[in-house]
This record gives sequence, structure tokens and C-alpha cells, in this order.
Amino acid sequence: RKEVEQDPGPFNVPEGATVAFNCTYSNSASQSFFWHRQDCRKEPKLLMSVYSSGNEDGRFTAQLNRASQYISLLIRDSKLSDSATYLCVVLGYMDSNYQLIWGAGTKLIIKP
Amino acid sequence: DTGVSQDPRHKITKRGQNVTFRCDPISEHNRLYWYRQTLGQGPEFLTYFQNEAQLEKSRLLSDRFSAERPKGSFSTLEIQRTEQGDSAMYLCASSPSGTTGNEQFFGPGTRLTVL
Repeated sequence: RKEVEQDPGPFNVPEGATVAFNCTYSNSASQSFFWHRQDCRKEPKLLMSVYSSGNEDGRFTAQLNRASQYISLLIRDSKLSDSATYLCVVLGYMDSNYQLIWGAGTKLIIKP
Repeated sequence: DTGVSQDPRHKITKRGQNVTFRCDPISEHNRLYWYRQTLGQGPEFLTYFQNEAQLEKSRLLSDRFSAERPKGSFSTLEIQRTEQGDSAMYLCASSPSGTTGNEQFFGPGTRLTVL
């Protein structure tokens, strides 16, 4: 089982709709969680950190479910510019060290 | 513009040659990371520096790979005797220390093609 797993998608969503996707992690001791977005052939950019109490930034809401070991990202009123790959990152324990472990990403396509 | 720069942006080399990439992090960040990313995958951790000290190195990093950060500012990643499987995007990221130390900011990457 991979340390961090995401549905690769693509999620094809009409503009204006709400979309949500999850990211599961295997190590219950994981401490920090992040969402990044990555446009095609560009570097990842930090979208938001994920706090235990959940957090919201404009149209984006991130939540952490420790019991089920997943984080989620909700995008409301989706825009064409939201089309990207969304990568989750977990501070987990691997190779005898804490490391930031990346999922392979979920591809989101917003259609007009 | 995140402030992390990488050079070169693209590198094409023949198998067996050595290549070196440079990363300049955001100036006040003392943590620096190197990742490798191939198509359809997330970034794969290679190594990590806290100031000039190399604190972690992935087991996936073969002896052909070496990284330095001699003065705790810029870093170099060298790949010796390149192989076709080394073709990938090499990403550098930096982060501050403290409670926000895991929020990483990436450079534009160096795309390596080994022929």
C-alpha cells in the first residue's frame, strides 16, 4: 500500500459546480498535511495547509479526518482556472525519518 | 514568482555524462529540498538540507547522485554517469524553519533528458 494515495482522475466538472476529492494516508502518526496545485509542466505551488479543525480559504475548504486517515479538498463555484493537478502532501515516517510524502495527484478539468 | 530559482531550466545530455544543477532558495529559508518528478507522479523526495547540513537522503538516491549546500545558501545536485532512467524534472524547494517549516516553495525545476 502506498503511503499517500489519491484518485488520479481526471475529474471532469462543469464550471460553477462544486467538486471534492480525498487523499488517504497510511501512517496514523502523520502530523502535517498540505494541498498543492500543479499546472501542466509547471512546479507545484502551495494551495493550503490542512489544520485539524479544518480551514477555508475563499472557495477552497480543506479538512482532516484522523480517524479515517484522509484529508479532503472541496472547491466551490469552480472556475476554468481551477483546472490543474492537485497534490496532497503528508509529513510521514519513511526510511527511519520523518519526510514529506507526496501523492501522485488528482487531475481536475473544469469545462465551460 | 516564489523566489526559488533553478538553473538550467532544461538539460539534454548523452548517457554516461555528468550533469550539475543549481538551486537558489528564498534567501531567508534555511531548509532546502531536492525532488525528482516523472510524468503522472508526485514529486519523489531525494534529499534535504538544514542550512549546510545534509540531514536526510532517500534510499532511492544512488551513489551516482550527490548534493551539496556548502554555505547554507545555494545548493547543487550532481548526477554522475547519467542513465536514461534519470530523465525527469528535478525540483528544488525551500522552506523556513519553525512551525511553518513544512510549507514548501518550489522553483521552476530543471528538466533533464538523457539520450
